[in-house]
Amino acid sequence: EADIYQTPRYLVIGTGKKITLECSQTMGHDKMYWYQQDPGMELHLIHYSYGVNSTEKGDLSSESTVSRIRTEHFPLTLESARPSHTSQYLCASRRAAQDTQYFGPGTRLTVL
Amino acid sequence: TQLLEQSPQFLSIQEGENLTVYCNSSSVFSSLQWYRQEPGEGPVLLVTVVTGGEVKKLKRLTFQFGDARKDSSLHITAAQPGDTGLYLCAGVPLGTYKYIFGTGTRLKVLA
Repeated sequence: EADIYQTPRYLVIGTGKKITLECSQTMGHDKMYWYQQDPGMELHLIHYSYGVNSTEKGDLSSESTVSRIRTEHFPLTLESARPSHTSQYLCASRRAAQDTQYFGPGTRLTVL
Repeated sequence: TQLLEQSPQFLSIQEGENLTVYCNSSSVFSSLQWYRQEPGEGPVLLVTVVTGGEVKKLKRLTFQFGDARKDSSLHITAAQPGDTGLYLCAGVPLGTYKYIFGTGTRLKVLA
């Protein structure tokens, strides 16, 4: 059982709003990831972190930013949301020496 | 570009039928993971296969890792509507640090 949490699960907001999607894990995993996924489509890596104060952009260009101040916490922020940001955002984590990633339940974001 | 190709892409079957999903690559993997994802949820880990030729069973699901560790298969016996979902294989190709996902197989089991 994976102990990785995301809040909120669902969010509907207006264009131009600033939002932060929360992700926390209690497994002590060093590596954390954010993916963007449209319904039924493949996962696209948008950010990752290999440890505290380490963040990198992923394969898919994203206007979001992330921070990793604590091992267990990896929030994602959109400064000014747009309809094109409507998607599902998935957070994942893994232990440094293992390949297996564990996923949170996701945040479904709708920007009107 | 390292790819994980899954086949079939879509599969719709009747309850009680058997099926096999394939995950193929030209790259060697140290391990492969299989996930199932339901709409609006995150992928849930089903199994990790590590050793070439390894076979793992999880109730009605049988996972196999190819001898050369380039491919894997998932076999479901007597499929049930609860097996409906998106099945994803994933792993890190040897010599890289990048975790890649398969193209996905969308399974629908009809009652």
